[in-house]
Formats: sequence, structure tokens, C-alpha cells
Amino acid sequence: DAKTTQPPSMDCAEGRAANLPCNHSTISGNEYVYWYRQIHSQGPQYIIHGLKNNETNEMASLIITEDRKSSTLILPHATLRDTAVYYCIVPRSGGGADGLTFGKGTHLIIQP
Amino acid sequence: DTGVSQDPRHKITKRGQNVTFRCDPISEHNRLYWYRQTLGQGPEFLTYFQNEAQLEKSRLLSDRFSAERPKGSFSTLEIQRTEQGDSAMYLCASSLVLGRISYNEQFFGPGTRLTVL
Repeated sequence: DAKTTQPPSMDCAEGRAANLPCNHSTISGNEYVYWYRQIHSQGPQYIIHGLKNNETNEMASLIITEDRKSSTLILPHATLRDTAVYYCIVPRSGGGADGLTFGKGTHLIIQP
Repeated sequence: DTGVSQDPRHKITKRGQNVTFRCDPISEHNRLYWYRQTLGQGPEFLTYFQNEAQLEKSRLLSDRFSAERPKGSFSTLEIQRTEQGDSAMYLCASSLVLGRISYNEQFFGPGTRLTVL
């Protein structure tokens, strides 16, 4: 998998937008960016993925820079339940169907 | 609840014993993955199956580890002669892969926490 770099931890106030950055400067043209999160004592949960264009679903938005070397996951109105470790992954096969390399992720703490 | 179940949820064993874990994926999913996660680290990929065929094994999967998916449904992961370093959370995931290139999500189970004394 292409190497990704994320800050180890971030804080965000409840109700505010949480913006989680990820650098993936070695990404190739056909490689997607995936985001998963892991709430304490649970298995990881898929959030969103994208290639070039910005993506939005019911959980989050994904903004990918034009050069594709970085991306930002946005949780528009963070709640206490969004406290989790967030993983940015660029799967080596392009898609997310092979084994994933998770790294250490960003521990997002939502403050009341 | 993602629909992926794992059994048992917790296992305590003594060094040198064998242990076996079971994973039941979402029924229509053809791919099944095993990961291992130690404290403070992200999950590490171990192996995955497409139906009953084991398509990839990580170098983390030592000779003491063996995984099977005999009928392309549930899977078992066995660890022989357990060591204290095997203590970890063992996670199972499944996905539906259609066609040669798939962009899809993996659905994870709750994990089996193994403690080797």
C-alpha cells in the first residue's frame, strides 16, 4: 500500500466539523483513498473512499487535492460517538479488495 | 452489528497450547480476511480467501498459524504452540468482490481477544 501520514491525535468540539488530514504523496494514478475508523473495543468500520473527485455520503465527506497527494476527511457535525481512531489507507491493489495496511491512524477525541 | 460474527470473543490460554477461532462472514460475501491487532497499533493483515481458496498470506503468518475456509463460508484460524507474543485481537472481515477490479468495503467482526499466559 502507498505510505500515508496522519497526525497521531486531534481534538474537536462536539457539534463542530472535524477535519482529519492525510498525506499520501506516493499515490499512483489508479489508487483509491479509503477511510476507516475504529471505535474502542470494536472492529474497524468503513467510512468512505475516493479516487479524484470529492465524495460525500451519510457519514462524511472526502476532499482529495487536485494533485492527489493529500486528502481530508470531514465529519460535518461531530458527536461524542465519533471519538475513534481514523485510518487513511491507500490500498496497493488500487481498490480495497485485498488485505489492507492500516498504520496507526489519528485518534480523534470529541470534546463535550 | 456488521453481520460478521466471531467466536469466541475472548480466549485465555497457556503458552504452548493450541487455539482455534471461528469467523462467520456475511453470507453472500465471497472474500474473507484475517487481521491481527496489538495494543496501540492498527490492524495487521494476515491472510485472505476468495471463496475456499487462500489467495494471499502475509509474512506475519508464521508456520504455527493456519487458516481454512473449507466450504467457502465460515473460516477458522488455528494457532499452534501459542507464545506470549501471540496475545492480540484477531479480527475477521468479509467483502463481496465482483469482477477483476473491485472498489469495495470490508465489513469487520468484533474480534477475538487472545491472551497467552
